[in-house]
Amino acid sequence: GAVVSQHPSWVICKSGTSVKIECRSLDFQATTMFWYRQFPKQSLMLMATSNEGSKATYEQGVEKDKFLINHASLTLSTLTVTSAHPEDSSFYICSARGDREIEAFFGQGTRLTVV
Amino acid sequence: GQNIDQPTEMTATEGAIVQINCTYQTSGFNGLFWYQQHAGEAPTFLSYNVLDGLEEKGRFSSFLSRSKGYSYLLLKELQMKDSASYLCAVKDSNYQLIWGAGTKLIIKP
Repeated sequence: GAVVSQHPSWVICKSGTSVKIECRSLDFQATTMFWYRQFPKQSLMLMATSNEGSKATYEQGVEKDKFLINHASLTLSTLTVTSAHPEDSSFYICSARGDREIEAFFGQGTRLTVV
Repeated sequence: GQNIDQPTEMTATEGAIVQINCTYQTSGFNGLFWYQQHAGEAPTFLSYNVLDGLEEKGRFSSFLSRSKGYSYLLLKELQMKDSASYLCAVKDSNYQLIWGAGTKLIIKP
C-alpha cells in the first residue's frame, strides 16, 4: 500500500506553546488529507478535511483558530496546535487519499502530551 | 443520527476463529472498511466491501449485507499478533467516514 509519514511520533510541550505535526504522502499525490484525534480507548474523531490548495473543512466543535491546518502541496499537510493546553493531549493521526483511491492511508500518529 | 455498533471486547484462543460483528445506521452508504489498530499505533487497512457478499484475503475475510446494515470480519488461524482493536467504518452519502468505537480482540495462548 501507499506510504504516509507523520512526524513527530511523539512530542511533549509546555502549556501555552504551539506544536506542528507534519503529514507526508511519500509515493502518491494526496489530494485529500484527514486529521483525526483519538483519546484513550475511544474511536477516531475526525477534526478536519483538507484538499490541496484550499482551506480545510473543520468538523463541528473543532476550533479552526486553535488547530491550524495547511495543505499547500499534494504531498504535505501540517496541523499546528496553537497555545496548547493539557486537555489537548491526545493521539493525532493523519490520513491521506489520492484522487483515484478508495481507501485512505494513515500516518503513524503523533502522541502529544502537554504539561 | 449515524451510528456504528461493534462489541467492545472479545477474547479468543490462538489458532481458533473469531467473528467480529458491525451494524450500522448511516445516511447513505458508499462502502464499509475494516481497520486493525495496535495500541499506540495508527490504523492499518484490512478490507473494503461495497457490494453484498464475502471478501476473502488470506486469514481475514469480511462480509457485508447492505439490506441488514451488517458486516462482520472473520479472522482464522488466530495468532498472538492479531491482538489489537478492529475498527469498522462506513462511508456515508457525503463520502465521510463514520467510525465505530472499535472491538478490542484479546488472543490467549
